[in-house]
Amino acid sequence: DAGVTQSPTHLIKTRGQHVTLRCSPISGHKSVSWYQQVLGQGPQFIFQYYEKEERGRGNFPDRFSARQFPNYSSELNVNALLLGDSALYLCASSLGLAGSYNEQFFGPGTRLTVL
Amino acid sequence: EDQVTQSPEALRLQEGESSSLNCSYTVSGLRGLFWYRQDPGKGPEFLFTLYSAGEEKEKERLKATLTKKESFLHITAPKPEDSATYLCAVLWGSQGNLIFGKGTKLSVKP
Repeated sequence: DAGVTQSPTHLIKTRGQHVTLRCSPISGHKSVSWYQQVLGQGPQFIFQYYEKEERGRGNFPDRFSARQFPNYSSELNVNALLLGDSALYLCASSLGLAGSYNEQFFGPGTRLTVL
Repeated sequence: EDQVTQSPEALRLQEGESSSLNCSYTVSGLRGLFWYRQDPGKGPEFLFTLYSAGEEKEKERLKATLTKKESFLHITAPKPEDSATYLCAVLWGSQGNLIFGKGTKLSVKP
């Protein structure tokens, strides 16, 4: 079975541009979460979606937004890119809300570089 | 204030030299503690979930344990292929998000 897939693998943008990252969850999984991981740090929570509704938001500015589609895939959008947005963006899926007994499985990530 | 602290930051072992990684947490109302393995440039790979103090889980050379304040990941007779960064994360509160530590980078030399 296919795991969590993300596209693109790598992306280079300049300051002020916007970017859209995509994620397809494991088949049957209805929850998608997004994380940002900067070099040398653990992943930091950005958003969680379940059944197309936002169920959680981390401490990120409004330049970050996301949505989930009827097929449970998801997009993360970042506007007005800053140099500090350079990071590995990870998508994780789980069967339900990532509560008890719902492990999150991660995709390979999208490496975003902002110049 | 860090809610999840992992130690040591880096650990170098000889092949076959057993050791333990530590993950301490300060959140109350823990709903689960997760261990992941991450190779450079890749997404975290799920290893274990622990839900209550006293729980233990094993997978090959790895064994995870949980107390009320910390978790240990024991590595028995490690091999070079065990080299990776090991991440600990806790699930708490009403949201379903994970709070990660900074990880322990493990290097196993042959």
